[in-house]
Amino acid sequence: QKEVEQDPGPLSVPEGAIVSLNCTYSNSAFQYFMWYRQYSRKGPELLMYTYSSGNKEDGRFTAQVDKSSKYISLFIRDSQPSDSATYLCAMRASGNTGKLIFGQGTTLQVKP
Amino acid sequence: NAGVMQNPRHLVRRRGQEARLRCSPMKGHSHVYWYRQLPEEGLKFMVYLQKENIIDESGMPKERFSAEFPKEGPSILRIQQVVRGDSAAYFCASSPASGGLAYEQYFGPGTRLTVT
Repeated sequence: QKEVEQDPGPLSVPEGAIVSLNCTYSNSAFQYFMWYRQYSRKGPELLMYTYSSGNKEDGRFTAQVDKSSKYISLFIRDSQPSDSATYLCAMRASGNTGKLIFGQGTTLQVKP
Repeated sequence: NAGVMQNPRHLVRRRGQEARLRCSPMKGHSHVYWYRQLPEEGLKFMVYLQKENIIDESGMPKERFSAEFPKEGPSILRIQQVVRGDSAAYFCASSPASGGLAYEQYFGPGTRLTVT
């Protein structure tokens, strides 16, 4: 079983839709949770960074962490064709570790 | 305000040759991380370095792979005697520190290695 599970999709939605992306994990030591966006043949771009449980909002993006369920989500409101990309969740434990554990990534297509 | 820089962006090597991948972290960042992305897979951690120190190399293959981050100059990921299975995108990330919110890792554009 992988430490982080993420449905690879693809997920196709019409422009303006609310998108929900999710990851589950098994390691209760994870404390920091991130979402990255990766366009084709580019490097991952950090979108959201949260610590422990709770919500964080930044513009059209909202990240949620439910540590009791070991479940994290990213919501995208008013989705745009430019949001079409692969979304990667990542997480790490506390302490002096540099190791991010990534999900497989979900490919999102927003159709005009 | 340059981000993480990697070069070369594309590298082609024949089986048995050596590959050297370079990474210059963002200005002010002293921590470097290397990840590998195989086709249809997520990113896999390889190694975490600070200047002149390897902090965590738990994701590095035991043979043929090495990494360094010297006092001066870029971080280098070296792959000796490459095999076809080494073909992948290699990403470097950097951060200003290792604890708490200062720990955000910013990624470079990657080096795509093709072994023929």
